[in-house]
Amino acid sequence: QSALTQPASVSGSPGQSITISCTGTSSDVGSYNLVSWYQQHPGKAPKLMIYEGSKRPSGVSNRFSGSKSGNTASLTISGLQAEDEADYYCCSYAGNSTFDVVFGGGTKLTVL
Amino acid sequence: EVQLVQSGAEVKKPGESLKISCKGSGYSFTSYWIGWVRQMPGKGLEWMGIIYPADSDTRYSPSFQGQVTISADKSISTASLQWSSLKASDTAMYYCARQPLDLAYGMDVWGQGTTVTVSS
Repeated sequence: QSALTQPASVSGSPGQSITISCTGTSSDVGSYNLVSWYQQHPGKAPKLMIYEGSKRPSGVSNRFSGSKSGNTASLTISGLQAEDEADYYCCSYAGNSTFDVVFGGGTKLTVL
Repeated sequence: EVQLVQSGAEVKKPGESLKISCKGSGYSFTSYWIGWVRQMPGKGLEWMGIIYPADSDTRYSPSFQGQVTISADKSISTASLQWSSLKASDTAMYYCARQPLDLAYGMDVWGQGTTVTVSS
């Protein structure tokens, strides 16, 4: 399975909104509503931010939202804050008989 | 508190074997999958495989099939990742993560990571 495609970097100013795209294929993102998003600060373990495409785990700010259209999933962060600066990874089930999961290449978010 | 605690950093030589571990606590260890994720230096996340500790049902990413072995001992709530012959290219951070049975829920709890360095 090929990695999902994400932009290498995005940036925004405090208070603004940004969107990170995650493009897959009809075999992964397009076939299943099983996209999750993870935030990773330098030197830290990833943290689940969005699951099932658009749902937030308890404790995750409602400034984070997810959506999907066709083979592309998106993560939107509104009201950017300095603490949002991190790497973000999308992830999708790439279901077949071997039970595969695929990550995106990651996007570095810079808060200007 | 639900947590996954991984074993400490390892420094090994090429050709050596290694087993790293991930111990779960604060939840029913046999009711969730445990997955393993590799992160090479300065690179992104790669899904390696997953195990269901209740019956040791194990699935591997095609990229890692035959390269590593994933196992679990439910009696001590511990999952493991092992190599029989390490290569320099195995140098990376390795994370374990909890995966609910419903795949839609994502990997909701992560270990702190184990750094593996393979160098002659």
